[in-house]
Amino acid sequence: KQEVTQIPAALSVPEGENLVLNCSFTDSAIYNLQWFRQDPGKGLTSLLLIQSSQREQTSGRLNASLDKSSGRSTLYIAASQPGDSATYLCAVRPPGGFKTIFGAGTRLFVKA
Amino acid sequence: ETGVTQTPRHLVMGMTNKKSLKCEQHLGHNAMYWYKQSAKKPLELMFVYNFKEQTENNSVPSRFSPECPNSSHLFLHLHTLQPEDSALYLCASSQLPESTDTQYFGPGTRLTVL
Repeated sequence: KQEVTQIPAALSVPEGENLVLNCSFTDSAIYNLQWFRQDPGKGLTSLLLIQSSQREQTSGRLNASLDKSSGRSTLYIAASQPGDSATYLCAVRPPGGFKTIFGAGTRLFVKA
Repeated sequence: ETGVTQTPRHLVMGMTNKKSLKCEQHLGHNAMYWYKQSAKKPLELMFVYNFKEQTENNSVPSRFSPECPNSSHLFLHLHTLQPEDSALYLCASSQLPESTDTQYFGPGTRLTVL
């Protein structure tokens, strides 16, 4: 059974700092992995999607890496800003079927 | 209107009430999803519809009844709910197959069961 774990559960950093969020999954057989952002009481916004054949994806100040063999992904945020404060969710899609399995998220607070 | 919309945004209901949540997507996608997000728990997939056909039912109690009349609309009918069903219910859509696409989420309905 696929399980997704995110560490840390919460993180507080000063503005301008570079930071890394971690995601691990128990079954390396995945179809894709996504990182989402969720603001309090709102829906999810997709940040980056990495296909199983890819190693990383970049969008602006965000870079996500994928190491299937070790069951790990990291989300790197460069030069953090107060507007980056949100909960970041990692999700994996196993091959076959339509089920997406989410981690519990990392709540990020960037202090001005 | 663009993206994925959900109504109502907030709902308070008693355990004997019957209500429905509505989701509409304006993205031309062929798959729609219902998720439940409870406090301090990971997002849980409830149902998936692909081309109006239900393809996933994640052992959801029968007091939740989904309906997908077409690829753009998805409903979640609620009856005789329990207080532990209070949560944020999120709808999403995507274009399957999904190796290169992603799920787009609505803003959610905050449900409180008294």
